[in-house]
Amino acid sequence: ETGVTQSPTHLIKTRGQQVTLRCSSQSGHNTVSWYQQALGQGPQFIFQYYREEENGRGNFPPRFSGLQFPNYSSELNVNALELDDSALYLCASSPMGQAIGYTFGSGTRLTVV
Amino acid sequence: QKEVEQDPGPLSVPEGAIVSLNCTYSNSAFQYFMWYRQYSRKGPELLMYTYSSGNKEDGRFTAQVDKSSKYISLFIRDSQPSDSATYLCAMSEDNTDKLIFGTGTRLQVFP
Repeated sequence: ETGVTQSPTHLIKTRGQQVTLRCSSQSGHNTVSWYQQALGQGPQFIFQYYREEENGRGNFPPRFSGLQFPNYSSELNVNALELDDSALYLCASSPMGQAIGYTFGSGTRLTVV
Repeated sequence: QKEVEQDPGPLSVPEGAIVSLNCTYSNSAFQYFMWYRQYSRKGPELLMYTYSSGNKEDGRFTAQVDKSSKYISLFIRDSQPSDSATYLCAMSEDNTDKLIFGTGTRLQVFP
C-alpha cells in the first residue's frame, strides 16, 4: 500500500505564470483535499474533491482550480501566479472525506519570483 | 481574531522533559480535535484525535479537550530528540468538514 504522492517536489515560477501540481491518493481513498501552507503558518484549506466533483472550497480566488480523475488522483491549477502564492502545497486523501482519516503527502514547494 | 490560536514557539526542552502544547479556539461548533506532527520538508502526520471533550492517551502522548474553555492540549512525556518537529493542532465541525489548523509550535528536544 502506498501513501500520498505529490509531484513535483519543488518548482520555481515567475509571477503571472500558471502552474499545475499533481497528487496520487492513497489506495482505498476516494477524497482528495488541497491545503496551502505558507512559511511559519498552519495549512489552509483550498478545496476538496469527492467523486470528481468539488465538494467544499476555502477562501481562495477562482484562479485556484482543481480536478479529480476516475482513479482519484488530483491536480491543483493556479493561474496568474502572485508572489504571495509562494508556499508548500499539501494534498491529503481520505476515505469518504473523513477528516480524521486524512493522509498528507510531503507537499510541493512552490516559489514565485 | 483567528479561529484557532497556537503559540509558534520555538519551545526548547531537555530530553526526558514533559512537554505541554496548547491551542485555543473561538468556534464552539468544533467537535473533532486533532494533533499533527510535521517534520521538516514533510507533510503533517496525525498523532491523535479526540471527539468532543475529554482525555485520550496513546503511549507517551496525552490529548485533552476542554470545550467549556475552548482549550486543547497535547502532553508529551519522556520527550526524545526524535520528537523535535512542529506540532499542529487542527479542528473541524464534523468528520467530513475541512480542517482548521493552528500555526504550529516548533519543538526542539536536546540531548
